[in-house]
Amino acid sequence: DQQVKQNSPSLSVQEGRISILNCDYTNSMFDYFLWYKKYPAEGPTFLISISSIKDKNEDGRFTVFLNKSAKHLSLHIVPSQPGDSAVYFCAFYSGAGSYQLTFGKGTKLSVIP
Amino acid sequence: KAGVTQTPRYLIKTRGQQVTLSCSPISGHRSVSWYQQTPGQGLQFLFEYFSETQRNKGNFPGRFSGRQFSNSRSEMNVSTLELGDSALYLCASSLGGPLETQYFGPGTRLLVL
Repeated sequence: DQQVKQNSPSLSVQEGRISILNCDYTNSMFDYFLWYKKYPAEGPTFLISISSIKDKNEDGRFTVFLNKSAKHLSLHIVPSQPGDSAVYFCAFYSGAGSYQLTFGKGTKLSVIP
Repeated sequence: KAGVTQTPRYLIKTRGQQVTLSCSPISGHRSVSWYQQTPGQGLQFLFEYFSETQRNKGNFPGRFSGRQFSNSRSEMNVSTLELGDSALYLCASSLGGPLETQYFGPGTRLLVL
């Protein structure tokens, strides 16, 4: 029973355009949301996070949007750069006292020069 | 500040053997979590240690165990290895409070033959 779904296994975007990565979840207890990116042969790198009390958080080229009623999380990268090519994972903490992350299966982003 | 380090980076074992993986967290971080990444299941939580105590445990058999030392370094042990244990094992550290960002090491790639 997947609590977290990243329905697009892969995404290709032209350099300079917007990349939109999506994540859907079923557990309404999820309270804090994170995005990680992963290059081959490296561990995941933290990108950006958002609390359930917010609907948007920005950090440079990265913006995360949260729609709690739809149980939907998205990551926007503008403008996309070739160095952004990686696998992106959404991850969730369940509840205010949680120490355990639940991950989606990832979306492979390819930014074409 | 040095990041999370994991040793060894690569390991080949045969079925029935046991293996120990090591993780050194970021200086000042007191929580260490372990995750298993496989192509089919994605990133799955194994367990989390804080102040030498296991605080959270995922749904893995008892063959998977771990411990944490007083300097916050952690080890993970898998006994009686099975072919399905072939995976990337990732360690992540955080300050230890709830909902803290976890920072990952590069992982140990384990191949069981």
